[in-house]
Amino acid sequence: SAVISQKPSRDICQRGTSLTIQCQVDSQVTMMFWYRQQPGQSLTLIATANQGSEATYESGFVIDKFPISRPNLTFSTLTVSNMSPEDSSIYLCSVGVGRNTEAFFGQGTRLTVV
Amino acid sequence: ILNVEQSPQSLHVQEGDSTNFTCSFPSSNFYALHWYRWETAKSPEALFVMTLNGDEKKKGRISATLNTKEGYSYLYIKGSQPEDSATYLCAFAGTGNQFYFGTGTSLTVIP
Repeated sequence: SAVISQKPSRDICQRGTSLTIQCQVDSQVTMMFWYRQQPGQSLTLIATANQGSEATYESGFVIDKFPISRPNLTFSTLTVSNMSPEDSSIYLCSVGVGRNTEAFFGQGTRLTVV
Repeated sequence: ILNVEQSPQSLHVQEGDSTNFTCSFPSSNFYALHWYRWETAKSPEALFVMTLNGDEKKKGRISATLNTKEGYSYLYIKGSQPEDSATYLCAFAGTGNQFYFGTGTSLTVIP
């Protein structure tokens, strides 16, 4: 199992600014995943972060908008850059070792952009 | 983009009622189907990971079934309690490392 501490839990930000979300895992993990849930939508994968390499972004998400850092095997950050109201969402980090084992999640960051 | 659908979108039941939700997913390239329970301001927590057609799993009052040939899974809650109030998410895992989530079923159990 894994326990993930995600910060901040919520924030209200002005448009045009950036917010960095942090996730700390209590054990070393190879891959960390960042998800977004827009209002009324499903959890959607933004990117996969591997330690020591560039993050892999899903279609529709770009590094300039969502830069990710993965400095070691227990920590990652996601930055939401140049925010607009459309970025208002819940952001979740997650870890897992495979498709047939349960994934573990942070508590989520509820972001509101005004 | 794979389509994973959950129904109903939301549900209000009386304490003691039994209820069930549906998750529909692609029947091709199936690897696993996950169910998670997500309470407000908490982390989603895993209920079940199901991989075999015909699988039935149970945890206390909650159980789930899986039909990979027709692409659906049911989650059942027997004798709902207020503490069961949460959003229930299913996630489809196929080829690759990505999970595809449904939009969830929001359950409210009224005391």
